[in-house]
Amino acid sequence: KAGVTQTPRYLIKTRGQQVTLSCSPISGHRSVSWYQQTPGQGLQFLFEYFSETQRNKGNFPGRFSGRQFSNSRSEMNVSTLELGDSALYLCASSDDPGRDLNQPQHFGDGTRLSIL
Amino acid sequence: AQSVTQLDSHVSVSEGTPVLLRCNYSSSYSPSLFWYVQHPNKGLQLLLKYTSAATLVKGINGFEAEFKKSETSFHLTKPSAHMSDAAEYFCVVSDPAGNTGKLIFGQGTTLQVKP
Repeated sequence: KAGVTQTPRYLIKTRGQQVTLSCSPISGHRSVSWYQQTPGQGLQFLFEYFSETQRNKGNFPGRFSGRQFSNSRSEMNVSTLELGDSALYLCASSDDPGRDLNQPQHFGDGTRLSIL
Repeated sequence: AQSVTQLDSHVSVSEGTPVLLRCNYSSSYSPSLFWYVQHPNKGLQLLLKYTSAATLVKGINGFEAEFKKSETSFHLTKPSAHMSDAAEYFCVVSDPAGNTGKLIFGQGTTLQVKP
């Protein structure tokens, strides 16, 4: 099976712009979670989508949003970019963590976003 | 609230010697615990998971972890370190039902392996 695919791998943007990141989960996985990784804050949960619905959300401002399509692919959007948004954004997929907490999440290699 | 604490931010070992990466958890529920590894410029790879079926969990690449409820610990070990083990390791707990899809990460332990 192909793993989780994130595109693009690298992005450079300037303050005030917006950006869209893409994530294709493992085939058959219906849940996609997004995380932000920074040296200062570590790995923080952004949100989770399941069957095209946002089921859970972390403590991030409304500038961070996402969606999921019927094929379970997910996109994350960040508007009005700030310098502090520079980070590695990781997505992870699993079948349904709401049904079984022991299900591991499988991660992509991430998109590294740099804000100038 | 669920949380994990990795007791060492950096661990250095010589190749061929044992590895011990320490993790304590805090949970009001029976926890779902995982260890992940991250190599530079890569995503996270699952090493092993605790499912309550057995307290000693074997993972990939010779790693194993022991769940000790009395000590609220889930330490990761490997008998003999290899140069390729150099990476960052994360102890992770899954948030309980009602907070689906959310993993809570420790701050990470960087493992250095010296020749």
